[in-house]
Amino acid sequence: DQQVKQNSPSLSVQEGRISILNCDYTNSMFDYFLWYKKYPAEGPTFLISISSIKDKNEDGRFTVFLNKSAKHLSLHIVPSQPGDSAVYFCAASPYNFNKFYFGSGTKLNVKP
Amino acid sequence: DAGITQSPRHKVTETGTPVTLRCHQTENHRYMYWYRQDPGHGLRLIHYSYGVKDTDKGEVSDGYSVSRSKTEDFLLTLESATSSQTSVYFCAISSGGAEKLFFGSGTQLSVL
Repeated sequence: DQQVKQNSPSLSVQEGRISILNCDYTNSMFDYFLWYKKYPAEGPTFLISISSIKDKNEDGRFTVFLNKSAKHLSLHIVPSQPGDSAVYFCAASPYNFNKFYFGSGTKLNVKP
Repeated sequence: DAGITQSPRHKVTETGTPVTLRCHQTENHRYMYWYRQDPGHGLRLIHYSYGVKDTDKGEVSDGYSVSRSKTEDFLLTLESATSSQTSVYFCAISSGGAEKLFFGSGTQLSVL
């Protein structure tokens, strides 16, 4: 069973609007979470992270929210841009265990 | 960009042949990982290493072995390749301590 789940394989958003990507996890030992962005034929690149001591982390247009009781995190992109079109993966790890589990990814398409 | 080099970038092989993929880093990071990316499954951890000669299994380790004789090199071996091992393989590195992963550009492996 996958311990990190992204239930939406794809998402389409208009340029300038908000993109919301969701991720759920099952392992209560996870306390460090990351989002990665991946373009075709390239390796994933780090976007933003959050530890379980926080419920929100912001970096420019990207904000990650963590709801520990629901074992749910989300990535908000505001405003969305066509260059944001990519596959987004969420990942989780128990703190200081350095074993990262990834979700299946959500393909975001931002339409001009 | 993190100094990670994967070789080869592409490989086509036949069922039953041994295959070795190489990951080389210049960052002197302690942790190294091998993931495979497949449609619908996202990134799944095959094996990882937490130091020279220290390795552990991931989610999908059957049919794969790894070795790390030097800090900078992490080898992934398919002893007898099968068609189900056709995939894109990514190496990643981390300095540990809940630091993020940096990924290589990937190896496209096709087993015919």
